[in-house]
Amino acid sequence: DAGVIQSPRHEVTEMGQEVTLRCKPISGHDYLFWYRQTMMRGLELLIYFNNNVPIDDSGMPEDRFSAKMPNASFSTLKIQPSEPRDSAVYFCASSGETSGSGFFGPGTRLTVL
Amino acid sequence: GENVEQHPSTLSVQEGDSAVIKCTYSDSASNYFPWYKQELGKGPQLIIDIRSNVGEKKDQRIAVTLNKTAKHFSLHITETQPEDSAVYFCAAHGSARQLTFGSGTQLTVLP
Repeated sequence: DAGVIQSPRHEVTEMGQEVTLRCKPISGHDYLFWYRQTMMRGLELLIYFNNNVPIDDSGMPEDRFSAKMPNASFSTLKIQPSEPRDSAVYFCASSGETSGSGFFGPGTRLTVL
Repeated sequence: GENVEQHPSTLSVQEGDSAVIKCTYSDSASNYFPWYKQELGKGPQLIIDIRSNVGEKKDQRIAVTLNKTAKHFSLHITETQPEDSAVYFCAAHGSARQLTFGSGTQLTVLP
């Protein structure tokens, strides 16, 4: 298995633009997690899905952030409009169990100018 | 909610020595404690985990101990090697039904 796949690996955009991050989880995993990592706040859970259904989105910082999982093999995290403080590394992880101790993707480094 | 504190934030050891990283948690309902290793430019990788019904778990040079009464758990790496250099994160899974991560420890193994 190729592991969790994320794209793009790097994204540089200007403030106000829409950003879409993509994730393909490991086949057969029922849980998918989106995390954000910054120096100031460390690793934060943004949202997670179980069987394609959003379970807990309390970590989503603002209405500018949205996430979808249209099927078991694909998820997106969208930021619209983006702001400089959204600059971070965004990780997608998938797991076969609710503990979330799953496999992380390589991350998307987002820079908003 | 859960609060996980991790110490130290940086740790340097000589190759061959042992390294110990400690974490405390606040939610007494937490029952699962994974440890992750993150290398530069990569995502965190699960290296070992322990559940609340076990006090210690070992996997080759890595061991984790858990003290539920004191609400702390530790990662022990023996016979450290330069390739062990990375950032290590502890985490706890509790009543919030999600992982809460510690702030990370930058481990440097000096040759």
